[in-house]
Amino acid sequence: KQEVTQIPAALSVPEGENLVLNCSFTDSAIYNLQWFRQDPGKGLTSLLLIQSSQREQTSGRLNASLDKSSGRSTLYIAASQPGDSATYLCAVKGYSTLTFGKGTMLLVSP
Amino acid sequence: DVKVTQSSRYLVKRTGEKVFLECVQDMDHENMFWYRQDPGLGLRLIYFSYDVKMKEKGDIPEGYSVSREKKERFSLILESASTNQTSMYLCASSETGTGRRNEQFFGPGTRLTVL
Repeated sequence: KQEVTQIPAALSVPEGENLVLNCSFTDSAIYNLQWFRQDPGKGLTSLLLIQSSQREQTSGRLNASLDKSSGRSTLYIAASQPGDSATYLCAVKGYSTLTFGKGTMLLVSP
Repeated sequence: DVKVTQSSRYLVKRTGEKVFLECVQDMDHENMFWYRQDPGLGLRLIYFSYDVKMKEKGDIPEGYSVSREKKERFSLILESASTNQTSMYLCASSETGTGRRNEQFFGPGTRLTVL
């Protein structure tokens, strides 16, 4: 059964820092990997989707990489801002459904 | 933009009540999903549907049922609510296909409290 782990569970950084969030998964037979953002008490917002054949995807200050063979993905956030404070979740898609990690709670202080 | 809406943001029910959570999407997506999210446990899939009148069990279907009579609407039913069903419920939808068409889009969530 697929397991998804996110490290660290929580991260606190000052504004302006570049940071990396990590996601690992146990079964490399995936179709894609999706990164989401969740604000407290709200639903999930899709940030990036990387197909299994891709190595990375970029959207603005966000860059996500995928190394399927080693079961790892990273989400790089450049020049962090207080508005980036949220929980970030990664999810991998197997044959039909997504398996989620428990998330990294990010706090960016001014 | 894809829009997924859920009928209630907050809901309080009593033990034993029958509870309906409604989800509607406006992008003609084939696939719809119901998750619950609990602290320390993350998101867990309850049921999903890949077509009208079709349903598949997820990881934790016990105590729940679903209904999909129309493509845009997917309902989650708690036949007899219990306190351990107090949770945040999230609905999502996606297209069928490859690549970005697999992207799941989520609703705002329903915070259900069962007393």
